[in-house]
This record gives sequence, structure tokens and C-alpha cells, in this order.
Amino acid sequence: EPEVTQTPSHQVTQMGQEVILRCVPISNHLYFYWYRQILGQKVEFLVSFYNNEISEKSEIFDDQFSVERPDGSNFTLKIRSTKLEDSAMYFCASRGTSGGYEQYFGPGTRLTVT
Amino acid sequence: QKEVEQDPGPLSVPEGAIVSLNCTYSNSAFQYFMWYRQYSRKGPELLMYTYSSGNKEDGRFTAQVDKSSKYISLFIRDSQPSDSATYLCAMRGYSSASKIIFGSGTRLSIRP
Repeated sequence: EPEVTQTPSHQVTQMGQEVILRCVPISNHLYFYWYRQILGQKVEFLVSFYNNEISEKSEIFDDQFSVERPDGSNFTLKIRSTKLEDSAMYFCASRGTSGGYEQYFGPGTRLTVT
Repeated sequence: QKEVEQDPGPLSVPEGAIVSLNCTYSNSAFQYFMWYRQYSRKGPELLMYTYSSGNKEDGRFTAQVDKSSKYISLFIRDSQPSDSATYLCAMRGYSSASKIIFGSGTRLSIRP
């Protein structure tokens, strides 16, 4: 069964460093999303991406964040200068355009900022 | 008022029991309603989704949506220890690219 994959599974970085989280969405999906979940809290929407541009972003997704689809298979989230409060699980999700319309989530990348 | 409210539990029931999980919401624009299951430190796994009001059944799982009351439910029949997880209700608007709004999740434990 096709699935969303994410790398790395765990990333440790120092405050102020840049990180790139990578996702490979399900191959025929065209809508892509990033969500995050701070430990013990709810899953929160960050950004949606379609047709090579951002469709919607939350107030969390400020200028420190950016997304990119650098080729036909990867979808990345970059955090330019990490803060302690960016520590969270980051989930990538993708969605198709026919049949099931719902979003399928990857296993997540646990980001720890020290 | 929060957009989506869900009792965080924990909820502990004996194996074989019927489990009822619920959420309420405030935004009438929500049209699609989902239930995800999440194991510890894993991604949410889609269990059920429904459009608008009504019931949907899939094996031991039944999802109900009552838009007039802004209330959704998930029932699990013949619960198994492997059903132990956190259950997240989720919903979104009609637009294709709509973001999902999640509830806080209910932690469920099935005792053998």
C-alpha cells in the first residue's frame, strides 16, 4: 500500500541553526501539507501546497518557515533559524484528487532544538 | 469557544466492550469529518471519513455525524487490546485544499 515517508525520523539541532525536513508524498497525490504536534498537544496545521505554491498557511508559519517541492517526488519544510519552541513532531500529509479525498500522514520527524 | 472539543480521557474499558468517542465543534463550515488513530510518537492513521450528516460503518467501526447538533461520534464494537491508542477527531471545510482541524485526542486503553 502506498504511504507517505519522512526523513529523518529524529533531528537534533542547536537553536539558531537551519533544518530541512523531508517528505516523499504518495506518488499520484497533488496536495501536500505540513502539520506539527508539540508533545502532549493537538496536531496543528502549518501550511498547504498545491500546484507549486502555498494555498494556505497558519499564523505559526511565519517568515522562518518555507516549503518547496524541489523535484517530482520530494516536499520539504525548512526552518531558517530554529527556536526552542520549534521542538515538536512534524508531520507531512498528502491528498489525491480522485477516489479518497482525505489526507494521509507520514510517520513524522521528531525535531529537538537544544 | 474552541473550534473542536474532544474529551482527552483517558478512557479504559474491558476487552469486548463497545467504545463511544465523541467530539463537538462550533464552525458550521465544516463538511468533512474524520477519525484518525495515533499510536505513541507515530503519525495519525486515517480510520474513517464521512461527508455531511449520517452514519458510516466499516467493520467494527461506525462513524456518526449530526450537523444539526455539531456532534460527531465514533463507535468501536468488540474492542480489542490492539485498539488501544489515541483517537483524534478531525474536520475540514468543503474546499479541496482545506486544512484539517484536529481535536485534542482521546486516549483509549482496552484491558485484556
